[in-house]
Amino acid sequence: GQNIDQPTEMTATEGAIVQINCTYQTSGFNGLFWYQQHAGEAPTFLSYNVLDGLEEKGRFSSFLSRSKGYSYLLLKELQMKDSASYLCAVRDVDGRGSTLGRLYFGRGTQLTVWP
Amino acid sequence: EPEVTQTPSHQVTQMGQEVILRCVPISNHLYFYWYRQILGQKVEFLVSFYNNEISEKSEIFDDQFSVERPDGSNFTLKIRSTKLEDSAMYFCASRPGRVGGYTDTQYFGPGTRLTVL
Repeated sequence: GQNIDQPTEMTATEGAIVQINCTYQTSGFNGLFWYQQHAGEAPTFLSYNVLDGLEEKGRFSSFLSRSKGYSYLLLKELQMKDSASYLCAVRDVDGRGSTLGRLYFGRGTQLTVWP
Repeated sequence: EPEVTQTPSHQVTQMGQEVILRCVPISNHLYFYWYRQILGQKVEFLVSFYNNEISEKSEIFDDQFSVERPDGSNFTLKIRSTKLEDSAMYFCASRPGRVGGYTDTQYFGPGTRLTVL
């Protein structure tokens, strides 16, 4: 089976740094994605890791360790608008070994940023 | 910037009725997906579609569900006889597919909220 775990909720203050962790156990692996989802809206793509290491993109960074089945999303200089759910998703390799694979999502981490 | 669009934004239907949810994927994308999210729960994969056929489907995607790409732009999800438990947000997504790496991700539409009474 596929198992993706992330904390349910986190809180932080404006201007701070927050790290959202994600651990995964999946039968196949073809990349890990982070999405942001505001309430009632679609997930929007934030970052993608397929090799070990850190990917930086402005205020957001994402890290992957494939051997540990672990990723984190780092958000710096938090703003009120960053209050949202952050979804960790793993892309599978399908039964034919192709990269058509679906995304398996975690339950999301609800981040609340306080002034 | 091109985006995935979905209609309607909200659909209310009676149990047992058929519904069709519509999506227009990003032009020149090759892979298409439907996901659903029951309120308060995680996003769940339903089906993927490539080269005019289903490439993968989940256990949720039973005989009551079907997908179609009737023309070069639309991608539809049909639920033949809706059940109360089908109430959810349904997201369409598309993916370029031509290159790997950073750009080859799934882009989601705004969703259709389906309410089955």
